[in-house]
Amino acid sequence: QKEVEQNSGPLSVPEGAIASLNCTYSDRGSQSFFWYRQYSGKSPELIMFIYSNGDKEDGRFTAQLNKASQYVSLLIRDSQPSDSATYLCAVRRSGTYKYIFGTGTRLKVLA
Amino acid sequence: GAVVSQHPSRVICKSGTSVKIECRSLDFQATTMFWYRQFPKKSLMLMATSNEGSKATYEQGVEKDKFLINHASLTLSTLTVTSAHPEDSSFYICSAKVGEETQYFGPGTRLLVL
Repeated sequence: QKEVEQNSGPLSVPEGAIASLNCTYSDRGSQSFFWYRQYSGKSPELIMFIYSNGDKEDGRFTAQLNKASQYVSLLIRDSQPSDSATYLCAVRRSGTYKYIFGTGTRLKVLA
Repeated sequence: GAVVSQHPSRVICKSGTSVKIECRSLDFQATTMFWYRQFPKKSLMLMATSNEGSKATYEQGVEKDKFLINHASLTLSTLTVTSAHPEDSSFYICSAKVGEETQYFGPGTRLLVL
């Protein structure tokens, strides 16, 4: 079992819709969870992070964490074509500062 | 967010040569930096943790004699790929730890070994 799993996609949504990206992790002791966006040929950009169960909102983005189910998700409201990218979920390995990345989900927002 | 730079952004070299990649934190001090590599359509794989003033910590399977890391100051870490071979061609990305949790990434260096 991979430490961090994501569906590779592509996930296609129409412009203006809500995009829902999911991530599961295996280390139950993980405390910190991150979402990064990566455009083709570029390095990842931090979107947001979440530590506590529940929802955390930042603009059009909402991260959701459920530690009991070992599941973290990212919702993008009012999706725009410029949101088309690969979204990487990262989990900080417990007891270290190291991130473990999922393989990413490719999102396509159709104009 | 915090700004991390990398140099060069792209390098092409011949097999057997060594290549140095620099990672700098521009507006903050980074005691800890990380080096990743990413193959096409794959995720980021952590290679090593670079700590200022001490030896780097390498992940399992990463050859420390091949990928030399030096973190001589609070704003600079370097990765040297020694005796590069075509299979070392990849996208190398550094990141700097900011605060207790967050990592900010440099723009990456694309290495092509002929």
